[in-house]
Amino acid sequence: DAGVIQSPRHEVTEMGQEVTLRCKPISGHNSLFWYRQTMMRGLELLIYFNNNVPIDDSGMPEDRFSAKMPNASFSTLKIQPSEPRDSAVYFCASSFQDRNEQYFGPGTRLTVT
Amino acid sequence: AQKVTQAQTEISVVEKEDVTLDCVYETRDTTYYLFWYKQPPSGELVFLIRRNSFDEQNEISGRYSWNFQKSTSSFNFTITASQVVDSAVYFCATNTGFQKLVFGTGTRLLVSP
Repeated sequence: DAGVIQSPRHEVTEMGQEVTLRCKPISGHNSLFWYRQTMMRGLELLIYFNNNVPIDDSGMPEDRFSAKMPNASFSTLKIQPSEPRDSAVYFCASSFQDRNEQYFGPGTRLTVT
Repeated sequence: AQKVTQAQTEISVVEKEDVTLDCVYETRDTTYYLFWYKQPPSGELVFLIRRNSFDEQNEISGRYSWNFQKSTSSFNFTITASQVVDSAVYFCATNTGFQKLVFGTGTRLLVSP
């Protein structure tokens, strides 16, 4: 079975531009998580969804960040406008609702210049 | 609040040595889970193990073993006869609520030939 799929794998953009990161969870998983990893702050949970519904977005840094999950097989994380401090690796992870080990995608390395 | 401490920032060993990665957790929950993840140089996060707080039996999987001790709030990870391919950052985590994970800061393991 395919793992969590993320695209793009690398994104380089200029400050002020809109960035959209995409994620396809493992088929059958009903929880989806977005994380950000930086050297300074480590792994941070940004938001998670259960059955396509956002459950906890307390980790979203500010209004420039938004996430959607229109169906069970797709989610997006959008940053608008992007800033250099948003540069990080963004991971998507998924899990079964009743088993809480999460399976991570390969990540998207975002660089904002 | 839940917290995971990985006091070892970096460990260097020579191939075939045994190495133990320490993990100390804090939680107010009576039922909780503990996890280990591996992040190799390629960057993805790989799930290694999930342990229920009611199950204090040690677990062995090939060269990997885990020692869970509630009395000391520790969940240590030992690699026996380390190999170069074991070089990675290893993260310990626990859950807060049912599905959210709190990660430690990671231990970088360098195995040299």
